[in-house]
Amino acid sequence: DVKVTQSSRYLVKRTGEKVFLECVQDMDHENMFWYRQDPGLGLRLIYFSYDVKMKEKGDIPEGYSVSREKKERFSLILESASTNQTSMYLCASSWGGGKGSNEQFFGPGTRLTVL
Amino acid sequence: AQSVSQHNHHVILSEAASLELGCNYSYGGTVNLFWYVQYPGQHLQLLLKYFSGDPLVKGIKGFEAEFIKSKFSFNLRKPSVQWSDTAEYFCAVIYNTGRRALTFGSGTRLQVQP
Repeated sequence: DVKVTQSSRYLVKRTGEKVFLECVQDMDHENMFWYRQDPGLGLRLIYFSYDVKMKEKGDIPEGYSVSREKKERFSLILESASTNQTSMYLCASSWGGGKGSNEQFFGPGTRLTVL
Repeated sequence: AQSVSQHNHHVILSEAASLELGCNYSYGGTVNLFWYVQYPGQHLQLLLKYFSGDPLVKGIKGFEAEFIKSKFSFNLRKPSVQWSDTAEYFCAVIYNTGRRALTFGSGTRLQVQP
């Protein structure tokens, strides 16, 4: 079974703090993704990565950065948290192109509240 | 811009009623199509997927979906819903642009009344 774990289920931070959200997958997947989920908006792609030290901007990258130093770990960083970044953050992973399907496997999510 | 539309935002059904949730996507090329479900308090799970071949796809828990290329649609169906189907349902698409990331619809909240 593919397992995607996220470091925290719930997180409360203050405006201006630097926030790290960690994601680890155990299936040797090449691709990893960060989404945020907001009511009525579905999931929106923040950043993704196809390989170690590689990153690509998604649809809403402003205010975020990412780090992928190891294949199994993909970190989302909020450089200076703001209240409009209060949301549920979901990490996902999948096989690389041509290997298996494009199905993505999701972690349980981190509900971040910025006060 | 590539997008996915789910027209039903909130659906309320009685047990044993039939379900159809609409999903339309905007791109005319090759796509991979998915339906995910999120039960209360749980993480997203894959219900079914379409890559190629038979446009009628069967998934878990009695769900199925039909890909109609001419209508850019991938509607989800279930002949008889149960209370345990209460959840939020998301349609998602990978557009064949090499990005490999999912584009999600806004979701449909299904409430099944016993």
